[in-house]
Amino acid sequence: ETGVTQSPTHLIKTRGQQVTLRCSSQSGHNTVSWYQQALGQGPQFIFQYYREEENGRGNFPPRFSGLQFPNYSSELNVNALELDDSALYLCASSPQQGQGNTDTQYFGPGTRLTVL
Amino acid sequence: GESVGLHLPTLSVQEGDNSIINCAYSNSASDYFIWYKQESGKGPQFIIDIRSNMDKRQGQRVTVLLNKTVKHLSLQIAATQPGDSAVYFCAENKAGGTSYGKLTFGQGTILTVHP
Repeated sequence: ETGVTQSPTHLIKTRGQQVTLRCSSQSGHNTVSWYQQALGQGPQFIFQYYREEENGRGNFPPRFSGLQFPNYSSELNVNALELDDSALYLCASSPQQGQGNTDTQYFGPGTRLTVL
Repeated sequence: GESVGLHLPTLSVQEGDNSIINCAYSNSASDYFIWYKQESGKGPQFIIDIRSNMDKRQGQRVTVLLNKTVKHLSLQIAATQPGDSAVYFCAENKAGGTSYGKLTFGQGTILTVHP
């Protein structure tokens, strides 16, 4: 069984640019959540996608947006990058009904974004 | 405000000892808690979870205790091994409402196991 995968592993952008990060959910999972983890801190919830729609959002500005596709994979898009956006971006997926505890979130390895 | 926090940011133990990592939460509406282990350069790894209708749950070498009266959560690791060295996070989940699905993480505890 393949776990949650994310791409790319590392990314370097300059201030003002746009970035797209990708996530493939674990087999049997239909919900995807995105988190931002700054160095030395715990992950902060950005938003969650279920059935291709946003299903809850944290305290992040609108320049953080996302998509979920019919195969449950997801993208995180960040526009007008700022220096403070430098962080590890984590994707987590949750099982669908009948496949496990739908509240549990299993994380991928993350994408390390550096904004210069 | 809402918070999930840890009492001790670092914990050093000898191999073979038992480790206890503590976590305090402030929102009594939370009904689901998860412990994660995060190694350097990796994503958080699920260790064990517990719902608010339980006081204790055991896994392989790990036990989670929940005290709802004082809003306290702990992770006990038996016979700690060098491979257990990592940052440990507790996370809180509230069912329902606009925060559905949101995990709120504590600051993390760095566990170092000395051979």
